[in-house]
Amino acid sequence: GAGVSQSPSNKVTEKGKDVELRCDPISGHTALYWYRQSLGQGLEFLIYFQGNSAPDKSGLPSDRFSAERTGGSVSTLTIQRTQQEDSAVYLCASRRLAGGAPTDTQYFGPGTRLTVL
Amino acid sequence: GDSVTQMEGPVTLSEEAFLTINCTYTATGYPSLFWYVQYPGEGLQLLLKATKADDKGSNKGFEATYRKETTSFHLEKGSVQVSDSAVYFCALSGSSNTGKLIFGQGTTLQVKP
Repeated sequence: GAGVSQSPSNKVTEKGKDVELRCDPISGHTALYWYRQSLGQGLEFLIYFQGNSAPDKSGLPSDRFSAERTGGSVSTLTIQRTQQEDSAVYLCASRRLAGGAPTDTQYFGPGTRLTVL
Repeated sequence: GDSVTQMEGPVTLSEEAFLTINCTYTATGYPSLFWYVQYPGEGLQLLLKATKADDKGSNKGFEATYRKETTSFHLEKGSVQVSDSAVYFCALSGSSNTGKLIFGQGTTLQVKP
């Protein structure tokens, strides 16, 4: 079956511009995560969506970062007024929720490589 | 807060050598522990996991045992292959019910023929 997909695979933008990154989770996976992989910070959690519950935004580094999930499926991560330190690979992961446990396998997408010039 | 520390790389081994990648953690409560692997050009994928103390996770010849007394989850393989060359991440999922992962810095393994 199809895995987690992310688009675009690469994004180059200028400092100060807004960017949107998209994640399509595995069909039927109602738990969705965003992570960021950067040279300086390693792999870090950003935000978690669980079904229709309020998201866990505790990992978002600043109020320039926001994310939404429409219809319980596709998610968009938006970064406003991008800065050079936002350059990283943004990873999305999903896992099944119904009948599962928090420790169930998270399936990761290939990531979006963001470069802010 | 919760954290994971793993040995810095890169680790370079010859084929058929024994592998150990050290991982220790700090967490409140009883976290679950994971090893993820990122092969060149591929996405992150789960290698193995353990959800309670003394559990042993295993997959593809790799093993790791959840040691609560030493707060460790070291990854081992008896005989590495060139195809094992990748970046390995130790991670924990803490006491929250979200399942969010806290990762170590990653260890690059290079296996030479």
